[in-house]
Amino acid sequence: SAVISQKPSRDICQRGTSLTIQCQVDSQVTMMFWYRQQPGQSLTLIATANQGSEATYESGFVIDKFPISRPNLTFSTLTVSNMSPEDSSIYLCSVGTGGREQFFGPGTRLTVL
Amino acid sequence: DAKTTQPTSMDCAEGRAANLPCNHSTISGNEYVYWYRQIHSQGPQYIIHGLKNNETNEMASLIITEDRKSSTLILPHATLRDTAVYYCIVRVANNAGNMLTFGGGTRLMVKP
Repeated sequence: SAVISQKPSRDICQRGTSLTIQCQVDSQVTMMFWYRQQPGQSLTLIATANQGSEATYESGFVIDKFPISRPNLTFSTLTVSNMSPEDSSIYLCSVGTGGREQFFGPGTRLTVL
Repeated sequence: DAKTTQPTSMDCAEGRAANLPCNHSTISGNEYVYWYRQIHSQGPQYIIHGLKNNETNEMASLIITEDRKSSTLILPHATLRDTAVYYCIVRVANNAGNMLTFGGGTRLMVKP
């Protein structure tokens, strides 16, 4: 299994600013994923973050808006840039450990005013 | 990955079995059926998965039809803490290296 922590757990931000979300895993993992969950909606994959290479973004998500870092096998960051109220969501980090299941962090609840 | 169809919501009495259906009529031979759940304000949690055979673990049972076009997740004795959104996901490859594509899920309400 994997234990995942995220910082901050929640934040309230002003439009036009940026927020960086941290994801820390208690073991080395190959695959890390970032998801967004808009209010009342299901989860949508933003990107896959692999150590040592550029993140792979899903359709509708771009690096300029959601830059991702993956400096090592236990840590990743997601930045939400130039925020607007439409970015208000829960952002979740997920990891694959090589087994058959993925593990999810507790999420970061972002509100943009 | 194949698309899944689930009822939007279901109710279940506490202590009774909760049977959550999922339709995946376009599933291909190399796709597995996974179930996750998301309790309010938490990240999704893995429940169970299977390919062809029925599966059981300490949390639930998974019944997959012979043609694999549908499945049912069974919580044998639902408790109030089982109130959550349950997601049925089909995915190529039986490893966590592939991303999960979430549909709308079923909101299960367990009532006393």
